[in-house]
Amino acid sequence: KNQVEQSPQSLIILEGKNCTLQCNYTVSPFSNLRWYKQDTGRGPVSLTIMTFSENTKSNGRYTATLDADTKQSSLHITASQLSDSASYICVVSAQAAGNKLTFGGGTRVLVKP
Amino acid sequence: GAGVSQSPSNKVTEKGKDVELRCDPISGHTALYWYRQSLGQGLEFLIYFQGNSAPDKSGLPSDRFSAERTGGSVSTLTIQRTQQEDSAVYLCASSFGTATEAFFGQGTRLTVV
Repeated sequence: KNQVEQSPQSLIILEGKNCTLQCNYTVSPFSNLRWYKQDTGRGPVSLTIMTFSENTKSNGRYTATLDADTKQSSLHITASQLSDSASYICVVSAQAAGNKLTFGGGTRVLVKP
Repeated sequence: GAGVSQSPSNKVTEKGKDVELRCDPISGHTALYWYRQSLGQGLEFLIYFQGNSAPDKSGLPSDRFSAERTGGSVSTLTIQRTQQEDSAVYLCASSFGTATEAFFGQGTRLTVV
């Protein structure tokens, strides 16, 4: 069964600090991995999308890494801001089943001043 | 429109009533997904349409739930005989082809009283 596991479930960090979120997946055959940010009451918004051949991709203060061998990804937030408070969702797409997206449960990040 | 549009944005209905939720995907997008998100929970896959292929209905929680996509564009999610546990935010997403960015609508918040 295709699964996506995220950790931690939640974390609290001080403004200006860095943090790293983890994503492990069993989706196979792998097509791509995406990180989304979901603000409270809003739909998810894409941060990065990576294919098998990509190891790292940045979007401003967000940097995602991918190790397709170990089926792990991370999202690093640098110099956190209050606006980074949100849920971060790891989404993996399989080549089979028409590239249906499998969602992780998300990591809820709270940035405190 | 420029993005995925969902309507209504909010719906309050009495237990036992039927409801219809609408999703207008981005023009030209062949893939359309329905998800739901209960309060404080992750995204739960419901159904997936890809082009003219038979939809993947594996996530529909019961036979009270159904969805259709007319003309490969607009989709309607129907919930019959609503129950209180159906209360959630129902999110729609669309993408162009496979392995490409999926864009989400703002969701429909359904409350069953």
